[in-house]
Amino acid sequence: EAQVTQNPRYLITVTGKKLTVTCSQNMNHEYMSWYRQDPGLGLRQIYYSMNVEVTDKGDVPEGYKVSRKEKRNFPLILESPSPNQTSLYFCASKEGLGLSYEQYFGPGTRLTVT
Amino acid sequence: RKEVEQDPGPFNVPEGATVAFNCTYSNSASQSFFWYRQDCRKEPKLLMSVYSSGNEDGRFTAQLNRASQYISLLIRDSKLSDSATYLCVVNAMNYGGATNKLIFGTGTLLAVQP
Repeated sequence: EAQVTQNPRYLITVTGKKLTVTCSQNMNHEYMSWYRQDPGLGLRQIYYSMNVEVTDKGDVPEGYKVSRKEKRNFPLILESPSPNQTSLYFCASKEGLGLSYEQYFGPGTRLTVT
Repeated sequence: RKEVEQDPGPFNVPEGATVAFNCTYSNSASQSFFWYRQDCRKEPKLLMSVYSSGNEDGRFTAQLNRASQYISLLIRDSKLSDSATYLCVVNAMNYGGATNKLIFGTGTLLAVQP
């Protein structure tokens, strides 16, 4: 089954404790991205990657890191999480760069930083 | 002004009703428009793209009004299963022209009542 998976689905952590949210897709998609969704703000892009070893900042990259060492994986790293990073995170992928390609989202990771 | 604006709702409608949502966008040069559906605590999924000539998919009709910079989604014969948040999505523009980045509205909540 074609899908985007994320782990963990739920995470409660404390300020400053490094964490990684994994994202993997099995569709051989070139383009992957991370979003966060907050009430009243909609989905905002954190980082995106156009291919292996090619990543770039989105609208809200502060406090986050990403890597794309393999085509299928795009982990999101929070080196020192803070309470304002409490949010619902979605990983997404699509076949190519063009807007005609449908974007597929993972099931989401609900992160709480205390 | 937000780049993409939607009435957050909720729209409470009885089964069988026709309901319409509008969404306005700020950049007149935007080229690509979409409606996504998001069920509670789930990932967004593409409902339909919006074409200049308008397009229909079963009970759903999407239309684009470039002069007034809004897109609409019409749902006929509402079903209980249509209850969800509907996200208006527009591609971002920069000085170089159209980009592949998507801007998400905050969504309109639809609740179909039995």
